[in-house]
Amino acid sequence: GENVEQHPSTLSVQEGDSAVIKCTYSDSASNYFPWYKQELGKRPQLIIDIRSNVGEKKDQRIAVTLNKTAKHFSLHITETQPEDSAVYFCAASHNNDMRFGAGTRLTVKP
Amino acid sequence: NAGVMQNPRHLVRRRGQEARLRCSPMKGHSHVYWYRQLPEEGLKFMVYLQKENIIDESGMPKERFSAEFPKEGPSILRIQQVVRGDSAAYFCASSPRDRNEKLFFGSGTQLSVL
Repeated sequence: GENVEQHPSTLSVQEGDSAVIKCTYSDSASNYFPWYKQELGKRPQLIIDIRSNVGEKKDQRIAVTLNKTAKHFSLHITETQPEDSAVYFCAASHNNDMRFGAGTRLTVKP
Repeated sequence: NAGVMQNPRHLVRRRGQEARLRCSPMKGHSHVYWYRQLPEEGLKFMVYLQKENIIDESGMPKERFSAEFPKEGPSILRIQQVVRGDSAAYFCASSPRDRNEKLFFGSGTQLSVL
């Protein structure tokens, strides 16, 4: 089955700086790559996703890049704000079988 | 559309009892996933079901754990003879049929085993 690895496990940045989280996947057939944000005690919620026919996608301060050859994808958050503090999970999916990375705890210091 | 509904939100069981966790997917969704999350840890895949079928249960322990998603009614994750190590948050998610789509998560059930 699919194996997703995510780095770093924790990330601390100063407000206004950028944050980058990286993931690799093992199954070359995976074709859908969502990112979820989970605040403390809450459910994971989708923040952005990308499909394998696209190399990059951007939504305001959030962007995701995908390198299919290398089987890795990254989340970029620019101009971070304290409310961006949360745990972020990447995932890879093939035929609706979705597996998650272990998560990155992002702390944005005011 | 009420979203993915899980109940109960909190469930307390004594060692050896049974725990039943329920999940009603979003309307029109026929794919259900169960994930387990320990404090400060990630979402660990347990089982993936479509209506009346288990598609992938590779993440679910072979003993004491079972899951079903009947034609009518919610998906059920059942844990028999619970042990303290079963204490965790259990999240259910659903997605539309036949498409590689984002998952919508429920609020989770926090299981505490005394």
